[in-house]
Amino acid sequence: AQSVAQPEDQVNVAEGNPLTVKCTYSVSGNPYLFWYVQYPNRGLQFLLKYITGDNLVKGSYGFEAEFNKSQTSFHLKKPSALVSDSALYFCAVRGTTDSWGKLQFGAGTQVVVTP
Amino acid sequence: DAGITQSPRHKVTETGTPVTLRCHQTENHRYMYWYRQDPGHGLRLIHYSYGVKDTDKGEVSDGYSVSRSKTEDFLLTLESATSSQTSVYFCAISEVISYEQYFGPGTRLTVT
Repeated sequence: AQSVAQPEDQVNVAEGNPLTVKCTYSVSGNPYLFWYVQYPNRGLQFLLKYITGDNLVKGSYGFEAEFNKSQTSFHLKKPSALVSDSALYFCAVRGTTDSWGKLQFGAGTQVVVTP
Repeated sequence: DAGITQSPRHKVTETGTPVTLRCHQTENHRYMYWYRQDPGHGLRLIHYSYGVKDTDKGEVSDGYSVSRSKTEDFLLTLESATSSQTSVYFCAISEVISYEQYFGPGTRLTVT
């Protein structure tokens, strides 16, 4: 069975400081990993994905994520946070032995960036 | 929101009444999904479709049914709404099984 853990319900960071949102996963086979962001009263927006290849993945709005197979983690990072990055962030995973494109989502991490 | 619309955007209904939510896409993507979002649970898959008239259950399918008669439309029906189905419902689409999914704007459903 697939599972995703986002250990922090909320992350607080000052504007200009580095931002990290943690995600760990469990899947059968190799993982396909995704990050999404949700602004208030909006749908989820795709940020980035890891399928294969380079462990450091770059995505939209200056975000990047690092895949670590030994630690089964896929943490989202941004070198310098903006107030506009305040939102709800979701990590999602599916395994390659899954016969269908079912994504397992984490519970979400609220990011609050203060001026 | 990538060529995906959901209707209605907000609905209040009474316990026991049937409700149908509509998802419409203009991307011609093969795969469509219905999720519900509840605090502390992230998104949970209700039903999905892998083609016209081809659908299957997700992890929280009890009390819900779906239909897909055209590539662009995916309907979610609550046969007899209950208060536990108060939630925000999202439709999503994807072109390829392993690729990212794109989400609609959501429907906020309240069952009183």
